[in-house]
Amino acid sequence: AQKITQTQPGMFVQEKEAVTLDCTYDTSDQSYGLFWYKQPSSGEMIFLIYQGSYDEQNATEGRYSLNFQKARKSANLVISASQLGDSAMYFCAMREASGGSYIPTFGRGTSLIVHP
Amino acid sequence: EPEVTQTPSHQVTQMGQEVILRCVPISNHLYFYWYRQILGQKVEFLVSFYNNEISEKSEIFDDQFSVERPDGSNFTLKIRSTKLEDSAMYFCASSEWGILGTEAFFGQGTRLTVV
Repeated sequence: AQKITQTQPGMFVQEKEAVTLDCTYDTSDQSYGLFWYKQPSSGEMIFLIYQGSYDEQNATEGRYSLNFQKARKSANLVISASQLGDSAMYFCAMREASGGSYIPTFGRGTSLIVHP
Repeated sequence: EPEVTQTPSHQVTQMGQEVILRCVPISNHLYFYWYRQILGQKVEFLVSFYNNEISEKSEIFDDQFSVERPDGSNFTLKIRSTKLEDSAMYFCASSEWGILGTEAFFGQGTRLTVV
């Protein structure tokens, strides 16, 4: 079963608008961590933002915020005021403590294209 | 800012040959990982390494693969007898701890092409 589900293979947004990238996850653990990474066309993986399962407030990092809805098991990434440089693949990932392992597992990614 | 460094950035090899992908994790990090990403597909976990031994590995990480930390700084992934389907981007990552709240920092990746 998929641990991380990203249902949007591709998203388009106009420059300066906000966009939400969806991520739902599956875990029976009470303690887990959720991450978003950006992968531009150059290929590197860039860490964006982290949300812990016990964090009561949604994480924010500059223009990135994480809309964490624990009951729905969703951790959507919101990018405000999109910029052309935001065009990239975005991956949601999770660390969970099952079996003593904390290995980050990734979703299939969402390709974001920002139009001028 | 400290970063994970991978070399080479691109490697082309003939089927059946052995390749070694190299990584220099961030110096104070204790946990190291290899992931691969076949073109256009998801990022797949291969192996994690802690305290000079493998702590976890996936089904993909079979006898064809091995990892080593030959000195205090390098972390290598060896792929023996490469196959066409090994063509992928290979990412090394490291994290300070292996706990939930610790982000993994990724290198730039090595694009392996098996011909």
